[in-house]
Amino acid sequence: DAGITQSPRHKVTETGTPVTLRCHQTENHRYMYWYRQDPGHGLRLIHYSYGVKDTDKGEVSDGYSVSRSKTEDFLLTLESATSSQTSVYFCAISGTDGNQPQHFGDGTRLSIL
Amino acid sequence: SQQGEEDPQALSIQEGENATMNCSYKTSINNLQWYRQNSGRGLVHLILIRSNEREKHSGRLRVTLDTSKKSSSLLITASRAADTASYFCATDRGNTPLVFGKGTRLSVIA
Repeated sequence: DAGITQSPRHKVTETGTPVTLRCHQTENHRYMYWYRQDPGHGLRLIHYSYGVKDTDKGEVSDGYSVSRSKTEDFLLTLESATSSQTSVYFCAISGTDGNQPQHFGDGTRLSIL
Repeated sequence: SQQGEEDPQALSIQEGENATMNCSYKTSINNLQWYRQNSGRGLVHLILIRSNEREKHSGRLRVTLDTSKKSSSLLITASRAADTASYFCATDRGNTPLVFGKGTRLSVIA
């Protein structure tokens, strides 16, 4: 398996609190992605990064911010969590964008009460 | 917006039977990929097929691509209980992030 670690794996928090999810890779891949997965919606892209300090928005970026200060770490932050952000969050990595497979972490289950 | 749409949403078959899942997409693509997701786990890449390819095989998996119909199919032959999972197609248009469909839930009954 590709070396991708997501932390935490589970988190329960309250509306209005800040939340940061971490994705760590040991593959030295250039591209990193954050997705959310919800019933009936499949997998939707939140933000992605194509290098250190280079990020771009995905389909559902509102309410989320990201940072990548090192090749191996990609952070997803919910500045003020809302119940609509309850979801399973997946990090993925790839060497290039689109024409190579993405490798996924095992997800973070986030519940916002 | 979702680029790929899988069909059917759910499929239940007996062990040993073949399973076919379809993916339709809306705009021209560069590549199409298929992924599997076991319950509680991340997605695992199965096959990538380029827009100039029509068919690819990997073990018991066969993927076809018809760009004129904007559709792809994934065939799993001689299904096993371990094939029970959700299957997703994903497309890109060249230097763009992948866009995933909503998936097909496959249940293989022993």
